[in-house]
Amino acid sequence: EAQVTQNPRYLITVTGKKLTVTCSQNMNHEYMSWYRQDPGLGLRQIYYSMNVEVTDKGDVPEGYKVSRKEKRNFPLILESPSPNQTSLYFCASRFTVYNEQFFGPGTRLTVL
Amino acid sequence: ELKVEQNPLFLSMQEGKNYTIYCNYSTTSDRLYWYRQDPGKSLESLFVLLSNGAVKQEGRLMASLDTKARLSTLHITAAVHDLSATYFCCLGAQKLVFGQGTRLTINP
Repeated sequence: EAQVTQNPRYLITVTGKKLTVTCSQNMNHEYMSWYRQDPGLGLRQIYYSMNVEVTDKGDVPEGYKVSRKEKRNFPLILESPSPNQTSLYFCASRFTVYNEQFFGPGTRLTVL
Repeated sequence: ELKVEQNPLFLSMQEGKNYTIYCNYSTTSDRLYWYRQDPGKSLESLFVLLSNGAVKQEGRLMASLDTKARLSTLHITAAVHDLSATYFCCLGAQKLVFGQGTRLTINP
């Protein structure tokens, strides 16, 4: 089944404890992206990747890192999480920049 | 900088009625996307609008794009409860910008 998977789905952590949210797609998509969703703000793009080893900042990249070492995986890293990073995170992928995105199920992160 | 504004942000309507959600944007863009999000769920793609005057329809939903006015509309015809969801428009190429979303509630 074609899909985008994220892990974990729920995470409660404490300020400053490094964490990684994984994202994987099995559709051979070139483009992958991370978003955070906060009430009243819609989805805001954190980082995106056009292909392996090609990443760039979205609108809200501060406090996040990403890497794209393989085409299928695009992990989101929070080196030192803070409470303002409490949010619902979505990973998405698409064939190219000309196609619609397929979204993962979401990761609900709480930073205490 | 691309800005995307949707209105209304909240919409409560009765089954059987028609209504329109508006998506205004600030700069030209190659294409515009509409997505649906059910409560507690992820987003799914509804429409991709590629050019000025594009119109796409799926069931009771119809989306259109006017690039000169920098406006897209999502029209709901004879609403049914199953269409209750939050609807987002989205624009851009590599960098993507979403509207705030319109939470649509359809009451029996």
